[in-house]
Amino acid sequence: EVQLVQSGAEVKKPGESLKISCKGFGYSFSKYWIGWVRQMPGKGLEWMGIMFPGDFDTRYSPSFQGQVTISIDQSTSTAYLQWSSLKPSDSAMYYCARRPCSGGQCYFDSWGQGTLVTVSS
Amino acid sequence: QSVVTQPPSASGTPGQRVTISCSGSTSNIGVNAVDWYQQLPGRAPKLLIFLNNLRPSGVPDRFSGSKSGTSASLAITGLQSEDEADYYCATWDDNLNGGVFGGGTKLTVL
Repeated sequence: EVQLVQSGAEVKKPGESLKISCKGFGYSFSKYWIGWVRQMPGKGLEWMGIMFPGDFDTRYSPSFQGQVTISIDQSTSTAYLQWSSLKPSDSAMYYCARRPCSGGQCYFDSWGQGTLVTVSS
Repeated sequence: QSVVTQPPSASGTPGQRVTISCSGSTSNIGVNAVDWYQQLPGRAPKLLIFLNNLRPSGVPDRFSGSKSGTSASLAITGLQSEDEADYYCATWDDNLNGGVFGGGTKLTVL
């Protein structure tokens, strides 16, 4: 069974750094893109970016380019999302999801449980 | 605002058929596949339809997807109370070189 398990909720202060994780189980981690999706309180889903573990090819949404960094540790089948300097507007639920592709078209088929990030002074 | 547009709300009574639209452009839906996700309150999103009209195993055939030109639709037949959720369409945008979600549609079962 494919499973993505995310790290626990975080409470941070503005200006602090943060790295949250997403560990894949039950599939060949290096063969599927993995992505991150933001959901601010009471709002919709926002596509942040994706990375292919096999070659670390990365695509960011223009809205998130330069704001966050996606990385992967293939040895532990873990994807990461990190911030160097958090802002209160980064407070949100963050989901990771596996992204299989067929004929160049891709979709998110398995999702993590979400990591709630709260940034407040 | 998202480049892909959904109505903010939809509603229906049990047993009814409802459709949710997803409108885009020639740089996204017009040339790329559409997926649909269901998000129950307090839960992670779940894939409902992929590659325009395919259902993952376990998704009831009451749910169906279609695409025509720069628009897509999700249809739910035999509406049930458990279908009350937020529904999102998603696709790739060639101009943005990234994925996009629609703004989401909150479905209420009356």
